[in-house]
Amino acid sequence: EAGVTQFPSHSVIEKGQTVTLRCDPISGHDNLYWYRRVMGKEIKFLLHFVKESKQDESGMPNNRFLAERTGGTYSTLKVQPAELEDSGVYFCASSQGQGALPTQETQYFGPGTRLLVL
Amino acid sequence: AQTVTQSQPEMSVQEAETVTLSCTYDTSESNYYLFWYKQPPSRQMILVIRQEAYKQQNATENRFSVNFQKAAKSFSLKISDSQLGDTAMYFCAFMKHRVSSGGGADGLTFGKGTHLIIQP
Repeated sequence: EAGVTQFPSHSVIEKGQTVTLRCDPISGHDNLYWYRRVMGKEIKFLLHFVKESKQDESGMPNNRFLAERTGGTYSTLKVQPAELEDSGVYFCASSQGQGALPTQETQYFGPGTRLLVL
Repeated sequence: AQTVTQSQPEMSVQEAETVTLSCTYDTSESNYYLFWYKQPPSRQMILVIRQEAYKQQNATENRFSVNFQKAAKSFSLKISDSQLGDTAMYFCAFMKHRVSSGGGADGLTFGKGTHLIIQP
């Protein structure tokens, strides 16, 4: 079974440009999460999709960030326009869904996208 | 809001030794999960071990075990017979368990991580 995949693995852009990150969750996982780790700080939750609906986007830093999950499969996270402080590693994770079994709620992570804004 | 604290930024031990990574958390929730994730250098973050808060028995996975002290809000990870491949960043994480309908669990709250180095 394929794990969570993310594309690109690295991205270097200039301030003011736009970048779109993609995440493909594990097949059949309804829940998809985005996280970000800024250098030297904790991994922070950004938002959570249940299928195609945004369940919780309380962690999104500002309106320059737009996440979508059309059709409830893969998700994109667009940053427009990018700022220097957006640099970091963006992780995606997926979980099977709500249920009585802890395994269904365990999140499995992708390798991350390293974003550098110059 | 929950907080997770890992007080050891870096640890180094010799191969085959036992090492314990500390994690404390703060929450008003009664129903939750705790996790340890491992991220080897330049590799994907993977789940090491999971503990359900309602279980008194400490979780174990081969050489990895936890000491879960719910009253003290402590969740340490013990690695026995450490191996070179255990070298990684280790993250402690908290997740509320959502019992109501509406889909999915909440996002994870992470600690800052502990960089564990296993020396040959």
